[in-house]
Amino acid sequence: EDKVVQSPLSLVVHEGDTVTLNCSYEVTNFRSLLWYKQEKKAPTFLFMLTSSGIEKKSGRLSSILDKKELFSILNITATQTGDSAIYLCAPARGGGTASKLTFGTGTRLQVTL
Amino acid sequence: GAGVSQSPSNKVTEKGKDVELRCDPISGHTALYWYRQRLGQGLEFLIYFQGNSAPDKSGLPSDRFSAERTGESVSTLTIQRTQQEDSAVYLCASSLVWGPHNEQFFGPGTRLTVL
Repeated sequence: EDKVVQSPLSLVVHEGDTVTLNCSYEVTNFRSLLWYKQEKKAPTFLFMLTSSGIEKKSGRLSSILDKKELFSILNITATQTGDSAIYLCAPARGGGTASKLTFGTGTRLQVTL
Repeated sequence: GAGVSQSPSNKVTEKGKDVELRCDPISGHTALYWYRQRLGQGLEFLIYFQGNSAPDKSGLPSDRFSAERTGESVSTLTIQRTQQEDSAVYLCASSLVWGPHNEQFFGPGTRLTVL
């Protein structure tokens, strides 16, 4: 059975701090890993990672994948209150009819003034 | 429309009643996915459709749950004889094509409350 573990479960930081969110996974026939930000109801896409060791960046957010150790991290620098959300990690597996995302329970980030 | 839309946004029903949730994917997206998110929990895969292929129903929790999709357009998720444990946010997502290298775009969700 596919398994995704995110840590920490929740985090409270002050504006301006840097945070690192962790995601470890065990997925059959792994193909890629996606990060989503969830505020209110609908998750919004952040990154898709397919290759080990290649950092993807978008503004203050960056992410990297380690396919040997089966984990990914999401970094947010100079956090702002608008970064407060649940961050979801979702490895995807491919092959046959079983291609779908398995979501972790997420890390709840709260950024305070 | 520009994004995935879902209706209704909120649904309150009595235990034992049937409910139908609707999803309109992004135009041109051939793959459509349904997820469920219970309070305080992660997203749980339910079913996905790819074009005219048989859907992957492996995530449906019981035979009370079913889903249909007309071609590459609207999908409906039906829950029969609802139970209190069905209370959750039901999220629909679509992607251009099926597969793990394609970003899924999510709709705003339907919050279902079963009394």
